[in-house]
Amino acid sequence: NAGVTQTPKFQVLKTGQSMTLQCAQDMNHEYMSWYRQDPGMGLRLIHYSVGAGITDQGEVPNGYNVSRSTTEDFPLRLLSAAPSQTSVYFCASGLEGITSPLHFGNGTRLTVT
Amino acid sequence: AQSVAQPEDQVNVAEGNPLTVKCTYSVSGNPYLFWYVQYPNRGLQFLLKYITGDNLVKGSYGFEAEFNKSQTSFHLKKPSALVSDSALYFCAVRDPSGAGSYQLTFGKGTKLSVIP
Repeated sequence: NAGVTQTPKFQVLKTGQSMTLQCAQDMNHEYMSWYRQDPGMGLRLIHYSVGAGITDQGEVPNGYNVSRSTTEDFPLRLLSAAPSQTSVYFCASGLEGITSPLHFGNGTRLTVT
Repeated sequence: AQSVAQPEDQVNVAEGNPLTVKCTYSVSGNPYLFWYVQYPNRGLQFLLKYITGDNLVKGSYGFEAEFNKSQTSFHLKKPSALVSDSALYFCAVRDPSGAGSYQLTFGKGTKLSVIP
């Protein structure tokens, strides 16, 4: 059972480049979300989805896009990378979004130069 | 708006001693509270949650937490610390009422070091 799989593990981008962080889960979870983790700031919610075709913004959505075409996948797109987006990104999923615990991937470490 | 405070950046405890990691929260309604643990270069792992009912909740690896509504606290505890408990611990809160009910807000984390 793979759980939540994130790719790539590491990525270096130049300012202005775009890329997509991939997230896939095999637990048939309806709820999926993206967080960024920065030193001394904990985890901050970027976007989330409560099911295929439904997405919403979190605390820090600017500069990021998401879509949810299937239950399994929830990619995060950086439209034009900026140094402020240097961070560790975590994808998390849950059976539903209110009381269920979240299952996290192992993260993608992104550096924007 | 909901928020979580973890007042200690780091907690040091000797192996075998009891440990406490503190968490206080702020929500407008009744809170849903969670504790997660993060080991180096890994994602977060769920430890326990409080939704309703008994104020003392038990979780994975011998951890427990006590919900105190009057003090708006949800401290994580373990009777006897192990070296393998050394990790980063996050408290998180969700307010199930209102438009932001799907948003889980995390504290900044507390680094626990258990000294042999």
